[in-house]
Amino acid sequence: EIVLTQSPGTLSLSPGERATVSCKASQSIRSNYLAWYQQKLGQAPRRLIYGASTRATGIPDRFSGSGSGTDFTLTISRLEPEDFAIYFCQQYGSSPYTFGQGTKLEIK
Amino acid sequence: EVQIVQSGAEVKKPGESLKISCETSGYNFNTHWIAWVRQMPGKGLEWMGMIYPLASDIRYNPSFEGQVTMSADKSISTAYLQWTSLKASDTAMYYCARHLDTAMSSLAYWGQGTLVTVSS
Repeated sequence: EIVLTQSPGTLSLSPGERATVSCKASQSIRSNYLAWYQQKLGQAPRRLIYGASTRATGIPDRFSGSGSGTDFTLTISRLEPEDFAIYFCQQYGSSPYTFGQGTKLEIK
Repeated sequence: EVQIVQSGAEVKKPGESLKISCETSGYNFNTHWIAWVRQMPGKGLEWMGMIYPLASDIRYNPSFEGQVTMSADKSISTAYLQWTSLKASDTAMYYCARHLDTAMSSLAYWGQGTLVTVSS
């Protein structure tokens, strides 16, 4: 089973700042099958990024994903108030598909 | 438009059985994988497994195999997750989500979740 470790666990930033979330895998992820999801309180997760760097339909271009192999990053270029939420990475290249433990992005 | 609507919240006692549903519309149910994801209170997401309705192909996360059963009814485009004997540790929010296209694809569409509470 591939273990995904996200850092930091909590990120405290202000609107307008840049956010960077890391996701490290215990082994290389096939074909960069890595997705990022956003979850707001009381809501279902929403897919932001798939294939490590492809934005899902309707996702603002301030969200970007990068990386390959075992190291991946989600970047939010300029934080908007609605971006404060929990972010999860997920690998879907090797069953069982696994999620990172989550990164909480909170307002500073 | 793809829509996924899950059944309502459930409160059960330990040892009881339960079947929750995931009703879909707006796409070909038969040819897309549906996954189930657990979220225990205050915790992260756990992929439980997935089902391909057309072939009734089911792939369980070993951590959940034998604990739950996934199924699908093609005639009504609905997937199910069931337990025969609930435990307090099954208390969680359960989401169903449709894979984008193949088995190796991201979870593109999500249901709203079904909260299952197991308490004596």
